Amino acid sequence: DAGVTQSPTHLIKTRGQQVTLRCSPKSGHDTVSWYQQALGQGPQFIFQYYEEEERQRGNFPDRFSGHQFPNYSSELNVNALLLGDSALYLCASRLTGAGTDTQYFGPGTRLTVL
Amino acid sequence: AQKVTQAQTEISVVEKEDVTLDCVYETRDTTYYLFWYKQPPSGELVFLIRRNSFDEQNEISGRYSWNFQKSTSSFNFTITASQVVDSAVYFCALSEDGGTSYGKLTFGQGTILTVHP
Repeated sequence: DAGVTQSPTHLIKTRGQQVTLRCSPKSGHDTVSWYQQALGQGPQFIFQYYEEEERQRGNFPDRFSGHQFPNYSSELNVNALLLGDSALYLCASRLTGAGTDTQYFGPGTRLTVL
Repeated sequence: AQKVTQAQTEISVVEKEDVTLDCVYETRDTTYYLFWYKQPPSGELVFLIRRNSFDEQNEISGRYSWNFQKSTSSFNFTITASQVVDSAVYFCALSEDGGTSYGKLTFGQGTILTVHP
């Protein structure tokens, strides 16, 4: 049973650039959420995708956008990168409506903005 | 708004000691879920346990046990006979059910547990 996978593992960008992170959900899951975890902090919710639409969004600027594909995989895009965007980006998946609310996380993508 | 507080920033114990991680939460919902996740140095958040707001039965699973008390809004986690491999950051998290929550997780700040040999 494949778990949540993310790519790339690490990424280094410079200020002003754009980045795309990718996530494949756990087998059988249809909902993908993205979280940002700054160093020494707990993860912060960015947004959630279900049925290829953004269903809920956290307190993040429009520079953060996403997409979900028909196979339920997802991308997180960040434009005009700032130094403060340096963080571990975690993807989590779950099955909506299954009576369980457990989200399973991937290994994360560590983004460094110089 | 929901909030999770883990008052212990860091805990250091010697192997075989018991250790309890505290978690206090705030929510206005009557139906919600509580979680504990473990984050080893590799970075991946590993799911440990989920409890819903209607299930206050405490549980023991191997060396892990959980104490959920709605009256004090606490969801504490105990490791018995700790081992070096238990060293990690532990996160308590809350998600509200229904409405437009869609399972969004609110995390505490995390507790760094170090188990020394």
